[in-house]
Amino acid sequence: QQQVKQSPQSLIVQKGGISIINCAYENTAFDYFPWYQQFPGKGPALLIAIRPDVSEKKEGRFTISFNKSAKQFSLHIMDSQPGDSATYFCAASRARSNSGYALNFGKGTSLLVTP
Amino acid sequence: DAGVTQSPTHLIKTRGQQVTLRCSPKSGHDTVSWYQQALGQGPQFIFQYYEEEERQRGNFPDRFSGHQFPNYSSELNVNALLLGDSALYLCASSLTNVGGGQPQHFGDGTRLSIL
Repeated sequence: QQQVKQSPQSLIVQKGGISIINCAYENTAFDYFPWYQQFPGKGPALLIAIRPDVSEKKEGRFTISFNKSAKQFSLHIMDSQPGDSATYFCAASRARSNSGYALNFGKGTSLLVTP
Repeated sequence: DAGVTQSPTHLIKTRGQQVTLRCSPKSGHDTVSWYQQALGQGPQFIFQYYEEEERQRGNFPDRFSGHQFPNYSSELNVNALLLGDSALYLCASSLTNVGGGQPQHFGDGTRLSIL
């Protein structure tokens, strides 16, 4: 059972545009929501993460929007650049758990930013 | 400051064989998690080790086992390899403290191919 659903599967954006990727989760016990960026041949790299006590978090060109009641969160990449072309994964987990804090990943979004 | 290191980077095995993958966590981290990433998919959680014990396990058969050493490094063992075990195996490290755990930092993985 996929605990985190991610869309779209692929995305093409022009340079300077806004890239938006959406995720939805089922388990209300999740309280930590990171986004990872993965380039071919590399492991996922943490981009930005949010806890449910805030509705938005911004770091540079990357912003997470969080809607607790809808159990949805999204990544916005402002002023998208060709170097942002990569696969993006959302994830969810329990931040505080004595029994572990496994990350549950979405299936990924392949982003292509055209010049 | 070295990040998460994994070895080997690539490995080719045949069905029925056994394999051991290794991971050294980021300096200062005490928790190691292993994930399997099939081609075109998001990482799937295998298990998490803390204080040399398996703290949490995902939906993987007993053929998958692990170990954590006193220096926090870890091994993933897979017995009786199947063609479906072909994947990128990712190690992630993090720090577990009183407030909980996270974030998890990934290595670049071991690409395992089963013939």
